[in-house]
Amino acid sequence: DAGVIQSPRHEVTEMGQEVTLRCKPISGHDYLFWYRQTMMRGLELLIYFNNNVPIDDSGMPEDRFSAKMPNASFSTLKIQPSEPRDSAVYFCASSLQGTGVLETQYFGPGTRLLVL
Amino acid sequence: TQLLEQSPQFLSIQEGENLTVYCNSSSVFSSLQWYRQEPGEGPVLLVTVVTGGEVKKLKRLTFQFGDARKDSSLHITAAQPGDTGLYLCAAMGSGTYKYIFGTGTRLKVLA
Repeated sequence: DAGVIQSPRHEVTEMGQEVTLRCKPISGHDYLFWYRQTMMRGLELLIYFNNNVPIDDSGMPEDRFSAKMPNASFSTLKIQPSEPRDSAVYFCASSLQGTGVLETQYFGPGTRLLVL
Repeated sequence: TQLLEQSPQFLSIQEGENLTVYCNSSSVFSSLQWYRQEPGEGPVLLVTVVTGGEVKKLKRLTFQFGDARKDSSLHITAAQPGDTGLYLCAAMGSGTYKYIFGTGTRLKVLA
C-alpha cells in the first residue's frame, strides 16, 4: 500500500493568501484525521472524519480553517486567509476503525507550511 | 485539560548508552501508545499498552505502563544512531474518542 499521501510537501505563501492542503488516506480506512505540529504546541488534533462525515472539529483554531472530505479517498484542509502564526507542519492520518483503544493511526509525511 | 508531560524534552547520548524517557499525567487512561517520528516524516506507532503494569518489549526498546495507568516509560538499551528521532506518547482523552499527544522527547544518538 502507498500509505497516506499528502500534497504539497512544502508550501510557502504570503499572509492573506488562501492555502489548500490535500490528503489521500489509505484505502479502506474509515477514519481520517488532520493534525498540526509546532515546536511550541506539539501535535494537535484539528478535526477528524468518520466515513467522510466530520465528527469533531473542536480543535480547529478559527473560522479561517475549514476541512472537507468529499469522498472516501480525498480530504482537504483550507486556510483562508492565512497568517504567519499558521506556519506549522500539517499531518493527515487515517485509521481502519476509528479511535478505539487498540487503533493505529497511520500518518502521512506532512505538509510544511510557511506563511510570510 | 488533560496533558501528557514528557521528560526529558531533549536528550543527546553516545551510541551504546542506555536511556529512559517518561510520559506522565494526572489523568487515568484506558490505553497509551508510543510513536517515533523521524525528521521530515510523520509519527509511526511503536507500541500500545493497555493493562496497568504491562511491560512490552520491541527488540532493544522496553515499554511500561504504570500500575495506576497515569504514566508510562520507554527504556532503550544500547542506543544506536538509528534510534534518533522524536518520541511521542499518546493516550485517549477521558470522555472523548480522541487521542492527545505528549509534548515529546527529542533524542539524538551520536555515533
